[in-house]
Amino acid sequence: QVQLQESGPGLVKPSETLSLTCAVSGDSISSGYYWTWIRQPAGKGLEWIGSIHHRGNTYYNPSLRSRVTFSLDTSKNQFSLQLSSVTAADTAVYYCARDPPRHFGSGSLDYWGQGTLVTVSS
Amino acid sequence: EIVLTQSPGTLSLSPGERATLSCRASQIVSSSYLAWYQQKPGQAPRLLIYGASSRATGIPDRFSGSGSGTDFTLTISRLEPEDFAVYYCQQYGSSPQTFGQGTKVEIK
Repeated sequence: QVQLQESGPGLVKPSETLSLTCAVSGDSISSGYYWTWIRQPAGKGLEWIGSIHHRGNTYYNPSLRSRVTFSLDTSKNQFSLQLSSVTAADTAVYYCARDPPRHFGSGSLDYWGQGTLVTVSS
Repeated sequence: EIVLTQSPGTLSLSPGERATLSCRASQIVSSSYLAWYQQKPGQAPRLLIYGASSRATGIPDRFSGSGSGTDFTLTISRLEPEDFAVYYCQQYGSSPQTFGQGTKVEIK
C-alpha cells in the first residue's frame, strides 16, 4: 500500500522560506510517477503547486513559479518543496500526492498524504 | 490556464436521492483528462473518477462520471450517509493542472 507523509515546520515567519518533505513508502520515487504538491487554504479550494519526476522534469504553477523549488532524495525515498518569500497568503494545508504519467492510463493524483498545516506569521 | 466552474455551490439532498454535479471548463479538456475527488472535513481528497468516466480503484459503482470537451458531470445514483462531502473536479491535461471551486453535498 502506497503511503505519503508530509513533514516540516508548522509555523514560518513572513519573508522566510517554507520547507516541506514528503516521505514515500510502498513505492519508489524512481518508479516513473510525478511527485506533486497541492495546497488548500482553510475553507477554500485546492491549488496545484507543481510536480517533479525522477528524470528531472519539473512542472510549476506559473503563479508560484518564481518562488518554488522541488527536489528529490532517492536514497531516502522522499521529495521536497521549498517556497521562498512567504506571506500570510501562503498559509494553507499542504498536501503531497502521486501523479501517474498519462501513458499509464490510470488517472491523476491517486495517492495523497494526510496534509500538513503551515501558518505564516511573525 | 483552464478555469473550471462547478455548479451548484451547494446541493441539499436526502440519503437515497440522486446527486448530479456539474463541471464546466473554459477550454476543451484534452483527452478527457478530467477527474473528480471527494473530500471530507480534515481529510485529504480521494480520487473517485479519472478520464472523465473511469472509476478509481475501490470506488462504488453508484459514482459515475460523464462528459467530454468542456462539460462534465459526476452522478451519485443513490446517496449514502458517507457521501455527504465536498466534491472537486480537476483537469490534468494541460499545465497548470487546475481544480474547480468545489460542490458541497449536504444532508437536507
